[in-house]
Amino acid sequence: RKEVEQDPGPFNVPEGATVAFNCTYSNSASQSFFWYRQDCRKEPKLLMSVYSSGNEDGRFTAQLNRASQYISLLIRDSKLSDSATYLCVVRGAAGNKLTFGGGTRVLVKP
Amino acid sequence: ETGVTQSPTHLIKTRGQQVTLRCSSQSGHNTVSWYQQALGQGPQFIFQYYREEENGRGNFPPRFSGLQFPNYSSELNVNALELDDSALYLCASSFEGLPPREQFFGPGTRLTVL
Repeated sequence: RKEVEQDPGPFNVPEGATVAFNCTYSNSASQSFFWYRQDCRKEPKLLMSVYSSGNEDGRFTAQLNRASQYISLLIRDSKLSDSATYLCVVRGAAGNKLTFGGGTRVLVKP
Repeated sequence: ETGVTQSPTHLIKTRGQQVTLRCSSQSGHNTVSWYQQALGQGPQFIFQYYREEENGRGNFPPRFSGLQFPNYSSELNVNALELDDSALYLCASSFEGLPPREQFFGPGTRLTVL
């Protein structure tokens, strides 16, 4: 079983619609959680950290469920520029190793 | 721009050859992590260097090795290249302390092994 698992998609989303997707992680000792965004043939960039209480950054909302070991990302009012691969990332208790999921591809269409 | 640079941007090698990839970290950062990203997959942690010492390693064989220099730049060396080593190699720099800080990724080196 992979340490971090994501639905690869693609999620085809009409412009202006809401899309949500999850990832699950296997290590219950994981300490920190993030969503990164990666555009085609580019490096990953931090989208947002994910906190236990849930957090929002503009149109993006992230949730963490430690009991069920999953993280979610919701995008409201999708823009064409939101088309990208969204990587779920987990950091363990020791060191600063980041463990990435395989990514969820989102395609926003007019 | 993150201020993290990598060279070269693209590289083509043949099986059995050796390759060295380079990374310059962002100013003020003391830690470099290396990741391998195969096509269609997420990045996989190779290893991390902190103050010129290896500080954690992923599930990669010993033919993957690295160095960090006093200016905190870093090299990734891969010996006896295999076809499966074809991937995007990403380095990420950060300032390590408590709590751990964000890692900033460079643009990557795309390695093709023929």
